[in-house]
Formats: sequence, structure tokens, C-alpha cells
Amino acid sequence: SQTIHQWPATLVQPVGSPLSLECTVEGTSNPNLYWYRQAAGRGLQLLFYSVGIGQISSEVPQNLSASRPQDRQFILSSKKLLLSDSGFYLCAWSVPSDGLNEKLFFGSGTQLSVL
Amino acid sequence: GQNIDQPTEMTATEGAIVQINCTYQTSGFNGLFWYQQHAGEAPTFLSYNVLDGLEEKGRFSSFLSRSKGYSYLLLKELQMKDSASYLCAVLDSNYQLIWGAGTKLIIKP
Repeated sequence: SQTIHQWPATLVQPVGSPLSLECTVEGTSNPNLYWYRQAAGRGLQLLFYSVGIGQISSEVPQNLSASRPQDRQFILSSKKLLLSDSGFYLCAWSVPSDGLNEKLFFGSGTQLSVL
Repeated sequence: GQNIDQPTEMTATEGAIVQINCTYQTSGFNGLFWYQQHAGEAPTFLSYNVLDGLEEKGRFSSFLSRSKGYSYLLLKELQMKDSASYLCAVLDSNYQLIWGAGTKLIIKP
């Protein structure tokens, strides 16, 4: 069966510090991978998605970047965090044959607080 | 612009039935999803509708009317564990997923 691992679960970082959130998927090959951010009272915001190694699409201009160094690994990074980067970050994957943005399987999320 | 509307919060009683509505205005339509999200946890898939009508899955059912831009999620025989947020999301013509802000459902004994 397929599983998705996302870590850390919570993170408190000072403004200006770097960020690295990691997500890995097991039990499937060439998944579509996604990074979302969820702010309180608002819908999920797609940050990045990837359909293959080294292929990253950015949905919104921002202070963050993403990389996919391996087939089932997706990393969200920042060189210098801003206060506005605080939020709940979710990694997700979908079956590639289902098409982009079809049924999503989410990781457990990372609650990031930038102080 | 594209928009998904759903109530912010609803309250219901254990054992009862509740209907959570979702209306949408999007550029095209390729399906509508419902996800359940418990506080502090990841969303989990509940249902997918692409054709008009009712899809039943145990205690949960989802209805779609494409002509009205409307869907609802029906939860029967409510249990305390059903207390969660319910997210509506629409896949538009470009296969972009548009998310509603979610409906927080509170179940009271």
C-alpha cells in the first residue's frame, strides 16, 4: 500500500532563517506531488506541483521554492523566512494515470510558526 | 473569478442528519471533491462527483447539480467522530483544483 511521510510535524523558526520541509511517498512510482499551504479560514492554496524528477511548477510567486531530487521525494525550502510564511503546510500525492489534481492523498502536515 | 462558497460553521446533534452545501462558479467543470479534515490533521478523501445525481457511500452521500453549480454532502447517523471540517473542491476546465474554505461541523451529544 502507498504511504506518505511528511516531517517535521511542527516547526518554530525565527524570521530570516532557512526552511526545509521534506515529504516522501512509498509504494508507488512517478507520483504527482504537491505542496499546499492552509491558512485559517481560507481554502487550500497550491504552492508547487511536480509531475516528475526535476520538474517543478509554481502556482504563486512567493518566498518559497521546491525541489524533487528523487522520484518520491519532494522538498519545500526557503532561504529566508518571512512572518507571512507561517501556516499549515501539506504535502500530497496523486496517481499519475488519474491526471493532475485528481484524488489527492495528503501527508500529516507541518505547522510552521515564524516568529 | 473562480469561487467556492460553503458555510463557515454548522452544528448538529449526535444521531441526526446534516447537509453541508457547496456552490461554485468556476471556469469549466471536471469534477467536485469532498474531503474531511480533523483539526490539525491532513484532509482525507470522501467523495468525487462528475455527473449529476447522488453518490452514496455508507453514512455519507454526495449530490451534484452541474446546471446549478451546486453540491451537498449529506451525513447520516452523526457520530461524535464526524466533528471535523469538510472541504469542497472543484476541478476546473484547466484541471486546476479550486478549494472552498471549508465548513467546520460541530457535533453535540
